[in-house]
Amino acid sequence: AQSVTQLGSHVSVSEGALVLLRCNYSSSVPPYLFWYVQYPNQGLQLLLKYTSAATLVKGINGFEAEFKKSETSFHLTKPSAHMSDAAEYFCAVSDAEQAGTALIFGKGTTLSVSS
Amino acid sequence: NAGVTQTPKFQVLKTGQSMTLQCAQDMNHEYMSWYRQDPGMGLRLIHYSVGAGITDQGEVPNGYNVSRSTTEDFPLRLLSAAPSQTSVYFCASRKGLAAYNEQFFGPGTRLTVL
Repeated sequence: AQSVTQLGSHVSVSEGALVLLRCNYSSSVPPYLFWYVQYPNQGLQLLLKYTSAATLVKGINGFEAEFKKSETSFHLTKPSAHMSDAAEYFCAVSDAEQAGTALIFGKGTTLSVSS
Repeated sequence: NAGVTQTPKFQVLKTGQSMTLQCAQDMNHEYMSWYRQDPGMGLRLIHYSVGAGITDQGEVPNGYNVSRSTTEDFPLRLLSAAPSQTSVYFCASRKGLAAYNEQFFGPGTRLTVL
Protein backbone atom coordinates (compact mmCIF):
# COMPACT_ATOMS: atom_id res chain seq x y z
CA ALA A 1 0.00 0.00 0.00
CA GLN A 2 1.09 3.51 -0.68
CA SER A 3 2.00 5.85 2.12
CA VAL A 4 3.57 9.24 2.67
CA THR A 5 5.64 10.34 5.64
CA GLN A 6 6.32 13.98 6.33
CA LEU A 7 9.13 14.41 8.82
CA GLY A 8 8.41 17.21 11.24
CA SER A 9 4.89 18.36 11.95
CA HIS A 10 6.15 21.88 12.54
CA VAL A 11 9.07 23.74 10.97
CA SER A 12 10.13 27.26 11.97
CA VAL A 13 12.46 29.46 9.93
CA SER A 14 13.48 33.10 9.85
CA GLU A 15 12.55 35.32 6.95
CA GLY A 16 15.20 34.92 4.26
CA ALA A 17 16.33 31.49 5.47
CA LEU A 18 16.20 28.26 3.51
CA VAL A 19 12.97 26.30 3.71
CA LEU A 20 13.25 22.49 3.68
CA LEU A 21 10.16 20.34 4.16
CA ARG A 22 10.73 16.61 4.05
CA CYS A 23 8.60 13.98 2.37
CA ASN A 24 9.26 10.25 1.94
CA TYR A 25 6.94 7.96 0.08
CA SER A 26 6.27 4.27 -0.20
CA SER A 27 4.99 2.90 -3.47
CA SER A 28 5.38 -0.37 -5.31
CA VAL A 29 5.12 1.31 -8.69
CA PRO A 30 6.54 4.57 -10.04
CA PRO A 31 4.58 7.23 -8.21
CA TYR A 32 3.17 10.59 -9.04
CA LEU A 33 4.02 13.04 -6.27
CA PHE A 34 2.46 16.33 -5.32
CA TRP A 35 2.98 19.17 -2.88
CA TYR A 36 -0.06 21.18 -1.83
CA VAL A 37 -0.21 24.29 0.34
CA GLN A 38 -3.08 25.29 2.61
CA TYR A 39 -3.34 28.83 3.92
CA PRO A 40 -5.44 29.38 7.05
CA ASN A 41 -9.13 28.68 6.55
CA GLN A 42 -8.70 27.91 2.86
CA GLY A 43 -8.68 24.91 0.60
CA LEU A 44 -5.58 23.24 -0.82
CA GLN A 45 -3.62 24.70 -3.72
CA LEU A 46 -1.15 22.79 -5.86
CA LEU A 47 2.47 23.95 -5.50
CA LEU A 48 4.09 21.45 -7.85
CA LYS A 49 3.96 17.86 -9.06
CA TYR A 50 6.29 15.12 -10.25
CA THR A 51 5.09 12.98 -13.13
CA SER A 52 8.34 11.25 -14.20
CA ALA A 53 9.47 13.91 -16.70
CA ALA A 54 12.18 15.81 -14.81
CA THR A 55 13.45 14.88 -11.34
CA LEU A 56 13.81 18.55 -10.32
CA VAL A 57 10.41 20.16 -10.38
CA LYS A 58 9.80 23.88 -10.10
CA GLY A 59 6.53 25.16 -8.72
CA ILE A 60 4.81 28.37 -7.85
CA ASN A 61 6.04 31.00 -5.38
CA GLY A 62 9.70 29.98 -5.78
CA PHE A 63 9.31 26.44 -4.44
CA GLU A 64 10.95 23.41 -5.98
CA ALA A 65 11.27 19.72 -5.16
CA GLU A 66 13.62 16.96 -6.23
CA PHE A 67 12.51 13.38 -6.81
CA LYS A 68 15.13 10.92 -5.54
CA LYS A 69 14.13 7.36 -6.29
CA SER A 70 17.05 5.83 -4.37
CA GLU A 71 15.97 7.68 -1.24
CA THR A 72 12.20 7.47 -1.95
CA SER A 73 12.08 11.17 -1.19
CA PHE A 74 10.46 14.29 -2.62
CA HIS A 75 11.60 17.11 -0.35
CA LEU A 76 10.29 20.64 -0.87
CA THR A 77 12.68 23.60 -0.77
CA LYS A 78 12.72 27.34 -1.18
CA PRO A 79 15.99 29.31 -1.01
CA SER A 80 14.61 32.28 0.90
CA ALA A 81 11.51 32.20 3.08
CA HIS A 82 8.97 34.99 3.02
CA MET A 83 6.41 35.79 5.68
CA SER A 84 3.67 34.92 3.20
CA ASP A 85 4.96 31.32 3.04
CA ALA A 86 3.56 30.59 6.51
CA ALA A 87 1.01 27.83 5.89
CA GLU A 88 0.47 24.11 6.13
CA TYR A 89 2.11 21.96 3.47
CA PHE A 90 1.00 18.52 2.38
CA CYS A 91 2.89 15.94 0.38
CA ALA A 92 0.71 13.46 -1.52
CA VAL A 93 1.26 10.39 -3.68
CA SER A 94 -0.83 8.73 -6.33
CA ASP A 95 -0.31 5.98 -8.86
CA ALA A 96 -2.26 4.66 -11.77
CA GLU A 97 -2.79 1.28 -10.14
CA GLN A 98 -4.64 2.55 -7.09
CA ALA A 99 -8.39 2.09 -7.23
CA GLY A 100 -9.93 5.41 -8.11
CA THR A 101 -6.42 6.87 -8.53
CA ALA A 102 -6.88 8.70 -5.26
CA LEU A 103 -4.35 10.94 -3.58
CA ILE A 104 -2.77 9.64 -0.39
CA PHE A 105 -1.74 12.53 1.84
CA GLY A 106 0.90 12.90 4.48
CA LYS A 107 -0.08 14.37 7.82
CA GLY A 108 1.17 17.82 6.92
CA THR A 109 3.90 20.20 8.04
CA THR A 110 3.11 23.62 9.42
CA LEU A 111 5.66 26.22 8.36
CA SER A 112 6.14 29.26 10.56
CA VAL A 113 8.21 32.22 9.36
CA SER A 114 9.50 34.80 11.81
CA SER A 115 10.84 38.26 11.04
CA ASN B 1 -15.06 29.66 -13.74
CA ALA B 2 -16.03 29.36 -10.09
CA GLY B 3 -14.00 26.16 -9.79
CA VAL B 4 -15.10 23.89 -6.92
CA THR B 5 -17.72 25.35 -4.61
CA GLN B 6 -18.94 23.98 -1.29
CA THR B 7 -21.88 24.88 0.91
CA PRO B 8 -22.29 25.55 3.73
CA LYS B 9 -18.99 26.95 5.02
CA PHE B 10 -19.88 26.18 8.63
CA GLN B 11 -22.41 23.85 10.21
CA VAL B 12 -23.26 22.75 13.75
CA LEU B 13 -25.30 19.58 14.21
CA LYS B 14 -26.61 17.64 17.15
CA THR B 15 -25.82 13.96 17.47
CA GLY B 16 -28.23 11.92 15.36
CA GLN B 17 -29.17 14.67 12.94
CA SER B 18 -28.67 14.23 9.22
CA MET B 19 -27.48 16.71 6.65
CA THR B 20 -26.05 17.05 3.18
CA LEU B 21 -22.84 18.85 2.29
CA GLN B 22 -23.04 20.27 -1.19
CA CYS B 23 -20.23 20.26 -3.74
CA ALA B 24 -20.32 21.54 -7.31
CA GLN B 25 -17.72 22.11 -10.02
CA ASP B 26 -18.03 23.93 -13.31
CA MET B 27 -14.93 22.54 -15.04
CA ASN B 28 -16.64 19.44 -16.50
CA HIS B 29 -14.31 17.20 -14.51
CA GLU B 30 -15.00 13.49 -14.51
CA TYR B 31 -13.41 12.67 -11.17
CA MET B 32 -14.72 14.06 -7.87
CA SER B 33 -13.90 13.15 -4.31
CA TRP B 34 -14.57 13.96 -0.68
CA TYR B 35 -11.89 14.19 2.00
CA ARG B 36 -11.99 14.92 5.68
CA GLN B 37 -9.21 16.78 7.43
CA ASP B 38 -8.49 16.23 11.11
CA PRO B 39 -5.63 17.76 13.11
CA GLY B 40 -2.44 15.74 12.73
CA MET B 41 -4.11 13.29 10.34
CA GLY B 42 -3.75 14.97 6.98
CA LEU B 43 -6.59 14.43 4.52
CA ARG B 44 -8.35 11.09 4.27
CA LEU B 45 -10.53 9.98 1.39
CA ILE B 46 -14.18 9.32 2.19
CA HIS B 47 -15.78 8.59 -1.20
CA TYR B 48 -14.99 9.27 -4.81
CA SER B 49 -16.69 9.20 -8.20
CA VAL B 50 -15.24 8.61 -11.65
CA GLY B 51 -18.32 9.88 -13.47
CA ALA B 52 -22.07 10.39 -13.25
CA GLY B 53 -23.72 7.34 -11.72
CA ILE B 54 -20.44 5.80 -10.51
CA THR B 55 -19.23 6.09 -6.93
CA ASP B 56 -16.96 4.08 -4.66
CA GLN B 57 -15.63 4.06 -1.12
CA GLY B 58 -12.39 5.52 0.06
CA GLU B 59 -10.44 5.00 3.27
CA VAL B 60 -13.07 6.24 5.78
CA PRO B 61 -16.57 5.76 4.26
CA ASN B 62 -18.56 4.69 7.34
CA GLY B 63 -21.40 7.03 8.23
CA TYR B 64 -21.39 8.80 4.85
CA ASN B 65 -23.30 8.33 1.61
CA VAL B 66 -22.75 9.89 -1.80
CA SER B 67 -24.43 9.97 -5.16
CA ARG B 68 -23.47 11.47 -8.51
CA SER B 69 -26.48 12.16 -10.69
CA THR B 70 -24.76 14.86 -12.77
CA THR B 71 -21.18 15.62 -13.75
CA GLU B 72 -21.30 18.90 -11.82
CA ASP B 73 -22.61 17.85 -8.40
CA PHE B 74 -21.32 15.44 -5.77
CA PRO B 75 -23.19 15.79 -2.46
CA LEU B 76 -22.05 14.09 0.74
CA ARG B 77 -24.73 12.89 3.14
CA LEU B 78 -24.30 12.30 6.84
CA LEU B 79 -27.02 9.85 7.81
CA SER B 80 -26.87 10.16 11.60
CA ALA B 81 -24.22 12.59 12.76
CA ALA B 82 -21.78 11.56 15.49
CA PRO B 83 -19.19 13.66 17.38
CA SER B 84 -16.45 11.64 15.61
CA GLN B 85 -17.58 13.29 12.37
CA THR B 86 -16.55 16.71 13.62
CA SER B 87 -14.05 17.70 10.97
CA VAL B 88 -13.31 19.93 7.99
CA TYR B 89 -14.62 18.44 4.76
CA PHE B 90 -13.09 19.14 1.38
CA CYS B 91 -14.47 18.33 -2.01
CA ALA B 92 -12.09 18.03 -4.96
CA SER B 93 -12.32 17.44 -8.69
CA ARG B 94 -9.91 16.36 -11.40
CA LYS B 95 -10.02 16.28 -15.18
CA GLY B 96 -10.05 12.70 -16.41
CA LEU B 97 -8.94 9.70 -14.41
CA ALA B 98 -5.17 10.00 -14.87
CA ALA B 99 -3.37 9.93 -11.56
CA TYR B 100 -0.92 12.64 -12.66
CA ASN B 101 -3.59 15.29 -13.13
CA GLU B 102 -4.02 17.98 -10.51
CA GLN B 103 -6.95 17.83 -8.12
CA PHE B 104 -8.72 21.13 -7.48
CA PHE B 105 -10.07 21.65 -3.99
CA GLY B 106 -13.04 23.58 -2.70
CA PRO B 107 -12.80 25.95 0.28
CA GLY B 108 -14.10 23.39 2.76
CA THR B 109 -17.00 22.93 5.16
CA ARG B 110 -16.26 23.08 8.86
CA LEU B 111 -18.65 20.71 10.66
CA THR B 112 -19.14 20.44 14.40
CA VAL B 113 -21.28 17.67 15.88
CA LEU B 114 -22.35 18.19 19.49
